[in-house]
Amino acid sequence: EDQVTQSPEALRLQEGESSSLNCSYTVSGLRGLFWYRQDPGKGPEFLFTLYSAGEEKEKERLKATLTKKESFLHITAPKPEDSATYLCAAHGSSNTGKLIFGQGTTLQVKP
Amino acid sequence: DAGITQSPRHKVTETGTPVTLRCHQTENHRYMYWYRQDPGHGLRLIHYSYGVKDTDKGEVSDGYSVSRSKTEDFLLTLESATSSQTSVYFCASKVTEAYEQYFGPGTRLTVT
Repeated sequence: EDQVTQSPEALRLQEGESSSLNCSYTVSGLRGLFWYRQDPGKGPEFLFTLYSAGEEKEKERLKATLTKKESFLHITAPKPEDSATYLCAAHGSSNTGKLIFGQGTTLQVKP
Repeated sequence: DAGITQSPRHKVTETGTPVTLRCHQTENHRYMYWYRQDPGHGLRLIHYSYGVKDTDKGEVSDGYSVSRSKTEDFLLTLESATSSQTSVYFCASKVTEAYEQYFGPGTRLTVT
């Protein structure tokens, strides 16, 4: 069964303290690995798509990487405005466009 | 960002009443999805559509039905709402050529 697991569930950082969020996946025929940001009371906001192992994408203080079993979202020198829940999702071999979501990591960055 | 709106944004209803949630997108996306988000479960797919009048079930479809009569609108109906359907509902859409989905702002539904 296809599965996506994120860790940790929650992460508290001081402003400027870099860290990484983990997304482990067991998906047959991976076609894409996605990262979303979700603020309280809002819908998920698309951040990145990674297609193959070794690929990296960057946006401001965020960098996403992909291996054959995991993806990492690295946050460099975070600011309080980076506080949010970060969701990881995978697209397998289905032609329906279905995404399999992890349960998310809630990040709190304190000033 | 895809132009996706959902209505209503908040709704409180009683057990046993029918409820319809609406998703509207202005991007001419072929694929549309309905998810529910609950603590401890993450986002789970209810139903999806791959074209006008073409729909299929997701992993938690029991108690829900959908309809899509126009490209831009995807309706989710709870025929007889139950307390277990209290949740936040998100609509998403995507183009045929890509895999990433774009989400609406959500509808918070409370069934009392």
